[in-house]
Amino acid sequence: GENVEQHPSTLSVQEGDSAVIKCTYSDSASNYFPWYKQELGKRPQLIIDIRSNVGEKKDQRIAVTLNKTAKHFSLHITETQPEDSAVYFCAANGPARQLTFGSGTQLTVLP
Amino acid sequence: DAGVIQSPRHEVTEMGQEVTLRCKPISGHDYLFWYRQTMMRGLELLIYFNNNVPIDDSGMPEDRFSAKMPNASFSTLKIQPSEPRDSAVYFCASSFTSGGVTDTQYFGPGTRLTVL
Repeated sequence: GENVEQHPSTLSVQEGDSAVIKCTYSDSASNYFPWYKQELGKRPQLIIDIRSNVGEKKDQRIAVTLNKTAKHFSLHITETQPEDSAVYFCAANGPARQLTFGSGTQLTVLP
Repeated sequence: DAGVIQSPRHEVTEMGQEVTLRCKPISGHDYLFWYRQTMMRGLELLIYFNNNVPIDDSGMPEDRFSAKMPNASFSTLKIQPSEPRDSAVYFCASSFTSGGVTDTQYFGPGTRLTVL
C-alpha cells in the first residue's frame, strides 16, 4: 500500500519567515495530495490540495508544489503568523479513494 | 450544512465495557471513513465505506472493533470489550466522489475516548 513520509516532525520559525514541510509517497498511481491543518483539540481541516495534473498551486500565503517524477510534494507558508501554529499533515490517495497520512509536523511560529 | 457530526464528544469508560461511537456524514456524501489518532501512531485509517458498503477494514486493530453503516446518514464504530490501549481520539470523515475523482475528506469533531 501507499506509504507517506513527512519531514520535519517539528519546525519553529520566527513570525514573518517562511515555513516548508516536505512529504514523499511511494505509490506512483497516487494523484491527489491534500494538506490538513490541525489545531490543538480540533479536527483536521483541509487547507490546500493539489492533483497530479499540476505542479504548483497557491492560495494567498500558502502554496503546494508537486514533483511526480521524484514522488514528493511540499507545503510552503510565507509571512508566517502566530495563528499558523498547528500540526500539519500531508496525505496521498490510494486506489479506492482512501488517504494515507504523513506523521505530521508541529509548526510553531514565534512572535 | 452542519458538517460531519459525531457523538459523543467525550467518552470515559472502564476496561471491559462496550463503547459505541456514532457518526452522521455530510448529506449526499458517498464515502465514510473512520480514523483513530494517537500520539504514538498518528492518524490511522480503521475502515471505510462506499455507499454504505464496507470497502476495506484492514486497519481495524482486532476483532474487538466492528463498524456498521445501516444507511447513508449513520455509522457506528463499536469496541467490545474496551481496553486502556484503545484510548484515543476517533474521527469520522466523509467525502463525495464526482466523476471518479478523489475529493476532499471532511472530518467530524472527533470522539475522545478514555478507557480506565
